[in-house]
Amino acid sequence: QVQLQESGPGLVKPSQTLSLTCTVSGGSMSRGGYYWTWVRQPAGKALEYIGRIYISGSTNYNPSLTSRATISVDTSKKQFSLRLSSVTAADTAVYYCARGGEVGDGFDIWGQGTRVTVSS
Amino acid sequence: SYELTQPPSVSVSPGQTASITCSGDKLGEKYTYWYQQKSGQSPVLLIYQDTRRPSGIPERFSGSNSGNTATLTISGTQAMDEADYYCQAWDSSTVVFGGGTKLTVL
Repeated sequence: QVQLQESGPGLVKPSQTLSLTCTVSGGSMSRGGYYWTWVRQPAGKALEYIGRIYISGSTNYNPSLTSRATISVDTSKKQFSLRLSSVTAADTAVYYCARGGEVGDGFDIWGQGTRVTVSS
Repeated sequence: SYELTQPPSVSVSPGQTASITCSGDKLGEKYTYWYQQKSGQSPVLLIYQDTRRPSGIPERFSGSNSGNTATLTISGTQAMDEADYYCQAWDSSTVVFGGGTKLTVL
């Protein structure tokens, strides 16, 4: 079965760029209709949609993050990535990658999450 | 921007029925999704397209959606159901999550 695993630095300095990668294992990344998503969750707070990417490269972002977020995909490596620029302490959160498009438009597979702290 | 509102907390006794609501403008005209998140774990999809359960989700979880309110119902609530629950909908091709509801099984 498909599994997702996030990776990347756990500590990022303010004003720098946060970079995370999600690796897809155990199944195809390229099936039409799938989209690959980033969601974050500050400690004790709700889930927040960051954005998604299709295999075609088409993207969609949360309007509140669209100026700072970039999602890309590398199907040869079975990975997709998130870059979030000009980070502040408000970007401290657990970052999840997830798959959509298999079960209606719900997110049926999630990574375990990776905690990112923005601090000098 | 579109908003989904959930009660911060709901309490239920074991074996009873728990109902968690999610409100949004004309939500009944959109599909609603529900996720369960236990402490320290990743979210799990419980309900999709208002009423459908992914394989492996127990029948005690059900959903409905009409007017401005979607509801997640847990019948015969068990101690293992204690968790945070999030609703989710799509608006203008973007994803919106509710603020989450903490379910306590007393």
